[in-house]
Amino acid sequence: LAKTTQPISMDSYEGQEVNITCSHNNIATNDYITWYQQFPSQGPRFIIQGYKTKVTNEVASLFIPADRKSSTLSLPRVSLSDTAVYYCLVGDKPYNTDKLIFGTGTRLQVFP
Amino acid sequence: NAGVTQTPKFQVLKTGQSMTLQCAQDMNHNSMYWYRQDPGMGLRLIYYSASEGTTDKGEVPNGYNVSRLNKREFSLRLESAAPSQTSVYFCATQAGSGVGEQYFGPGTRLTVT
Repeated sequence: LAKTTQPISMDSYEGQEVNITCSHNNIATNDYITWYQQFPSQGPRFIIQGYKTKVTNEVASLFIPADRKSSTLSLPRVSLSDTAVYYCLVGDKPYNTDKLIFGTGTRLQVFP
Repeated sequence: NAGVTQTPKFQVLKTGQSMTLQCAQDMNHNSMYWYRQDPGMGLRLIYYSASEGTTDKGEVPNGYNVSRLNKREFSLRLESAAPSQTSVYFCATQAGSGVGEQYFGPGTRLTVT
């Protein structure tokens, strides 16, 4: 199983860069790494997806080392509105239920 | 565009009652999914539909049935509700069935007493 491990929670202050690391030692060749953000009482929202090296979009960056056994979501200069739960998923197809599993995620709390 | 819509937003059922949760999308996506999220937990896949006319079980299908009525609509039915089915239910869509971005609806909060 391509199980992922993330910290349960993280705290930060406004304006800081936040890095959330996800461990996925059993990642398979075809697997991609995907991150979602979820606010209370809302459905998850896609943040970023990558396969290797570095991916950047207007919201975040995703760093994936050569062995792909871990990945790091980087949120630059967080604000209070970034307080949410962040999920790391690994897999190639959403319905491969032994792969693309939403774990308990990382609860990020941003303080003023 | 409304994206992904779900009805109802809230529902309270008594044990043994039945109900259908509705999901509709206007994104012309092929794949649709039903998840449940228990308090403090991640999402678990109940059923999915990779394309119109097909449905398959996910991680936790027991106690549920689904219908992919057409490309736009994917409903989830609880035939005989149980307290263990108290949860928030999310519908999601995706353009394809492989790697890609899923779009989630706002959720239905269901309580079974």
